[in-house]
Amino acid sequence: DIQMTQSPSSLSASVGDRVTITCRASQRISSYLNWYQQKQGKAPKLLIYGASSLHSGVPSRFRGSGSGTDFTLTITSLQPEDFATYYCQQSYSSYTFGQGTKLEIK
Amino acid sequence: EVQLVESGGGLVQPGGSLRLSCAASGFIFSSYWMHWVRQAPGKGLVWVSRIFHDGSSATYADSVVGRFTISRDNAKNTLYLQMNSLRLDDTAVYYCARGGADYSNDYWGQGTLVTVSS
Repeated sequence: DIQMTQSPSSLSASVGDRVTITCRASQRISSYLNWYQQKQGKAPKLLIYGASSLHSGVPSRFRGSGSGTDFTLTITSLQPEDFATYYCQQSYSSYTFGQGTKLEIK
Repeated sequence: EVQLVESGGGLVQPGGSLRLSCAASGFIFSSYWMHWVRQAPGKGLVWVSRIFHDGSSATYADSVVGRFTISRDNAKNTLYLQMNSLRLDDTAVYYCARGGADYSNDYWGQGTLVTVSS
């Protein structure tokens, strides 16, 4: 089974900051890496698919990059509505989520 | 607008059964793979099961193999999850999600809570 490891597990930042979250796969997964945002008590929402493609309606301040085993999600200028938990997911072999990164207001 | 609405959750005793439903609208249901994903209270997301657009193939997480069965009725635009031999650690919010590009999950329902407790 493919394991996904996100870092950090939690992160404090301010509005306007640039933030990067990392996801590492236990084996190569090409570009089959997706990112989701989940707010407290709500369903997850797709942000990025295929490592770097922006899902419809997602603001351009969200950027994904990487291939193989190492991937990043970057939020270029944090907005108040971006404080949430972020999950990566590999879809190369079955499906596995990372453990999540909680982004909190500093 | 894509909509997915889950139902069927509730309180069940260990060893019991429950069937979840997910009503889909706003897209051609029969053209898409569908998934179930669950989230235990205060924990992360865990993929549970996936079914092909025509119901011809289904896969499951190891933790539910032999106990859960995913199915769909394309005439009714509805996805199902039959859960048998429920265990305490099956307690979670269960989400249905549509299969999207690059095998992502592009739209999600609001979830239905399943509580397994004696």
